[in-house]
Amino acid sequence: NAGVTQTPKFQVLKTGQSMTLQCAQDMNHEYMSWYRQDPGMGLRLIHYSVGAGITDQGEVPNGYNVSRSTTEDFPLRLLSAAPSQTSVYFCASSSPVAGGNEQFFGPGTRLTVL
Amino acid sequence: GDSVTQMEGPVTLSEEAFLTINCTYTATGYPSLFWYVQYPGEGLQLLLKATKADDKGSNKGFEATYRKETTSFHLEKGSVQVSDSAVYFCALMGGSGYSTLTFGKGTMLLVSP
Repeated sequence: NAGVTQTPKFQVLKTGQSMTLQCAQDMNHEYMSWYRQDPGMGLRLIHYSVGAGITDQGEVPNGYNVSRSTTEDFPLRLLSAAPSQTSVYFCASSSPVAGGNEQFFGPGTRLTVL
Repeated sequence: GDSVTQMEGPVTLSEEAFLTINCTYTATGYPSLFWYVQYPGEGLQLLLKATKADDKGSNKGFEATYRKETTSFHLEKGSVQVSDSAVYFCALMGGSGYSTLTFGKGTMLLVSP
């Protein structure tokens, strides 16, 4: 199993550009989440999904969109990037049915918005 | 809402010293508690967890006990190594049924030879 994969690893955007951060998992996990990590702030939840076709907002959803058309993929879209979205983004997955409540994290995407 | 408070770092220790990183929480219901570790340039890895009061999680010499009466989940290790240098996050998962985590701000541990 590859676990949770994220692409790209690094990205630089200009203000106003759009992009999609990719996240995929091959563990057939029902739950997937996006977090952002900022210095001194820990990780904060952006959006999450409890299954294909179902998404919901977390603590800091503004400026981000998600969709979950398949169990495996959970892309995060920035519609119009802002410098405040400079951060490290982590995707995570879990399976309450199969794996209990442990979340598995991807390696992260480091995004800089100029 | 749910929240996690952990001691600020960095914590600087010499090799073989005793480690404690304090973590307290506020949550409704009966949360599960976790410690995650992040090595430089990497993602988060689960270090240990406890799912009910008085449970002790342990892994790689680290331990933490779920104390409901003091709403705490302090991380301890008897003898740290240079390779333990990392950022440690305390987190909780509430009993609401949603599988998302609330994190503390993280504590950086630096161990010198």
